[in-house]
Amino acid sequence: EVQLVESGGGLVQPGGSLRVSCAASGFTFSDHEMNWVRQVPGKGLEWISYITKDGSVVYYADSVRGRFSISRHNADNSLFLQMNSLRAEDTAVYYCAREATFGVAAFDSWGQGTLVTVSS
Amino acid sequence: SYVLTQPPSVSVAPGQTARITCGGNNIGTKAVHWYQQKPGQAPVLLVYDDSDRPSGIPARFSGSNSGDTATLTISRVEAGDEADYYCQMWDSSSDQRVFGTGTQVTVL
Repeated sequence: EVQLVESGGGLVQPGGSLRVSCAASGFTFSDHEMNWVRQVPGKGLEWISYITKDGSVVYYADSVRGRFSISRHNADNSLFLQMNSLRAEDTAVYYCAREATFGVAAFDSWGQGTLVTVSS
Repeated sequence: SYVLTQPPSVSVAPGQTARITCGGNNIGTKAVHWYQQKPGQAPVLLVYDDSDRPSGIPARFSGSNSGDTATLTISRVEAGDEADYYCQMWDSSSDQRVFGTGTQVTVL
């Protein structure tokens, strides 16, 4: 069974840093591109970052470019999002999402999310 | 950046058909995907590449895409279809993935 489990969320002060992780299991992690998607409680989905299968190419949404960094460690099936210079508007549930091997950048598996709260 | 616009809400009676639109400039030239999200849950892929369904998704969910509008159609609507629905695509000009604004479907 495909599983994606996020961890590392919590309360952080404005200007602070946090790293969230996503542990993958039940599939060959290195065969899939991966993404981070966030959702402010009660609001819509926002894509924020993408990484290729080997981690050599990454993309970011304008809202986080220069502050967030995506990475992966295929040896232990893990995806990471390093978040720096956090702002109140970064408060959201952060999901990791797997890109399907079919379709054009469709997300076929999602984790349950981890809540990041930026507040003093 | 590319913008995908959805109606905030759609209401439909049980057994009827719900249509959810996703508007974008020349979206008909893009591959559009649709997701369902129920309260407290992660999104689920319903339709990919405009009109294909992953295994396990009922045929009641179908999609189309032409011109400036992509459409998700839910036939024979059930109470369990009450959820938020999002369209999504890949903007090749920026290599960004883009979500629509989302539509809340209410079953009357």
